[in-house]
Amino acid sequence: AQSVSQHNHHVILSEAASLELGCNYSYGGTVNLFWYVQYPGQHLQLLLKYFSGDPLVKGIKGFEAEFIKSKFSFNLRKPSVQWSDTAEYFCAVNAPYSGAGSYQLTFGKGTKLSVIP
Amino acid sequence: KAGVTQTPRYLIKTRGQQVTLSCSPISGHRSVSWYQQTPGQGLQFLFEYFSETQRNKGNFPGRFSGRQFSNSRSEMNVSTLELGDSALYLCASSFIQKDATNEKLFFGSGTQLSVL
Repeated sequence: AQSVSQHNHHVILSEAASLELGCNYSYGGTVNLFWYVQYPGQHLQLLLKYFSGDPLVKGIKGFEAEFIKSKFSFNLRKPSVQWSDTAEYFCAVNAPYSGAGSYQLTFGKGTKLSVIP
Repeated sequence: KAGVTQTPRYLIKTRGQQVTLSCSPISGHRSVSWYQQTPGQGLQFLFEYFSETQRNKGNFPGRFSGRQFSNSRSEMNVSTLELGDSALYLCASSFIQKDATNEKLFFGSGTQLSVL
């Protein structure tokens, strides 16, 4: 079974600082990778996803992530964070199971980001 | 377009009781998944339904069950509640086609279950 590790439980940054959140997964086959975000009081929503092609993917609100297959990593980055980026960020992987199209996401435990104005 | 709707928003039960949670997916979405979110374990997959069939199930005891109706609405049931079942239960729907696995999930706001 696959697993996902997020390196940091809580990250505190000042506005305009650069952000990198680590995510590593364990699965030897083809994977689809996602970053979801949960803003305070809101539901989970997709930031970006990777399933094939260019390993550098861009998402909403200036976020991007790079898939490095050799390192089993999918780190999330943003050059300059804003106070409104304060949220919890979840990395997730979908490794297709046997059985047509069975859809299951395995999530990391999340990283809380606090941005100080 | 309405989002994923979960009812009720909050629920308080006592040990040994059973509970049923409801989820209405986005119109046109045929895949509905359920996740349990707790501070210690994060988000854990419960099960996924597609066209009324359970396609996959996570590592939860048999007390956790679900079903999906012909209109794609889904319910999950937890019987003989335990204190450790206290969690936020999230439903997510997707426009996934039968064999696609890269579609994004649209999450509801969840049902916060407290077991006393």
